[in-house]
Amino acid sequence: AQSVTQLGSHVSVSEGALVLLRCNYSSSVPPYLFWYVQYPNQGLQLLLKYTSAATLVKGINGFEAEFKKSETSFHLTKPSAHMSDAAEYFCAVSEWKGAQKLVFGQGTRLTINP
Amino acid sequence: DTAVSQTPKYLVTQMGNDKSIKCEQNLGHDTMYWYKQDSKKFLKIMFSYNNKELIINETVPNRFSPKSPDKAHLNLHINSLELGDSAVYFCASSQVTEKLFFGSGTQLSVL
Repeated sequence: AQSVTQLGSHVSVSEGALVLLRCNYSSSVPPYLFWYVQYPNQGLQLLLKYTSAATLVKGINGFEAEFKKSETSFHLTKPSAHMSDAAEYFCAVSEWKGAQKLVFGQGTRLTINP
Repeated sequence: DTAVSQTPKYLVTQMGNDKSIKCEQNLGHDTMYWYKQDSKKFLKIMFSYNNKELIINETVPNRFSPKSPDKAHLNLHINSLELGDSAVYFCASSQVTEKLFFGSGTQLSVL
């Protein structure tokens, strides 16, 4: 079975600093990997996804993630944090079961300090 | 023109009651899902329907019964509610392997 581990349930950075949210996955097949963001009292929205094309994936709002097979990682980065980036971030791996079954990590809450 | 809409947004009820959550998507997607988010923010899939056919049925108590009257709607009925059912329930839809679009969630509180 596939699984995802997000290192750090809470990450705090200063405005303008680098954001790094860590995600490691376990998969027996080439994975489809995703990062979703959840703002307070809202549903999740897709930031970016890896589907075996380029290993460096660019997403919305200046985020990007790099797929590293040797490290089984898919860490999310943003060069310069903005106050509006404060949210809960979820890494997920997709299993195909006739429909897309997303297996989520436990989430990382990102706090931005002024 | 909300893409995936769920009602109600908040649901407060007593143990033992039966309740339903409705979900509608106007994206023309073939596949719809129910996810549960617990108090620790952990998200887990419950069900998935493709063109009104049940595709994914995770280990969920049979008190939970999804119903898909057409491919734009997926409702969740819960019988004999228990304290442990308190969570946020998210509906989502997608077109086969494309990204999921999530609703804004229904916060269920069982007292």
